[in-house]
Amino acid sequence: TQLLKQSPQFLSIQEGENLTVYCNSSSVFSSLQWYRQEPGEGPVLLVTVVTGGEVKKLKRLTFQFGDARKDSSLHITAAQPGDTGLYLCAGAKSGTSYGKLTFGQGTILTVHP
Amino acid sequence: DVKVTQSSRYLVKRTGEKVFLECVQDMDHENMFWYRQDPGLGLRLIYFSYDVKMKEKGDIPEGYSVSREKKERFSLILESASTNQTSMYLCASSARYGYTFGSGTRLTVV
Repeated sequence: TQLLKQSPQFLSIQEGENLTVYCNSSSVFSSLQWYRQEPGEGPVLLVTVVTGGEVKKLKRLTFQFGDARKDSSLHITAAQPGDTGLYLCAGAKSGTSYGKLTFGQGTILTVHP
Repeated sequence: DVKVTQSSRYLVKRTGEKVFLECVQDMDHENMFWYRQDPGLGLRLIYFSYDVKMKEKGDIPEGYSVSREKKERFSLILESASTNQTSMYLCASSARYGYTFGSGTRLTVV
């Protein structure tokens, strides 16, 4: 059972385009995180959102947590080749102990110059 | 700069060997985790530890064990390596929000 579903799985775009990645679930999460992973490296935390409806911006990246805390989105404005990588969402379910996270399958983003 | 260090980036082992993957963190975190990452399957939790000598099974513990004798070190053990354990292994530690991952160990079992 896939508790966190990411879409799309693959995204190939040209430099300068905008894109949105979605992370959806039927479960409620107490917090949701986004990571970026480059080939041969471990994922790196981009942002954590904890409040329903919360919007956070990190330069050209905008993260939103759904009002019901069941979904999230990542929007990139004017994508650059340096944005290329695997984007992972991960959620901590309410009542989960010890910081256990459930990960989505990931979105592979390729930005062509 | 805070770090999670995995002892090997690449390993090649033979079927049946006992394999040790080591992970050390310098952030004084209570919680540490071992995941494996496979294409199309995402990150799957093998084991985690919430204190020294304390451990719990994750979603796919079969064929693995762990050891946490010191707070900063969390070891993953493949008791008898098999080809279906060929994968990328990621160690992470966490405080309240967010994981810090190591760079991963790509293990190939031949």
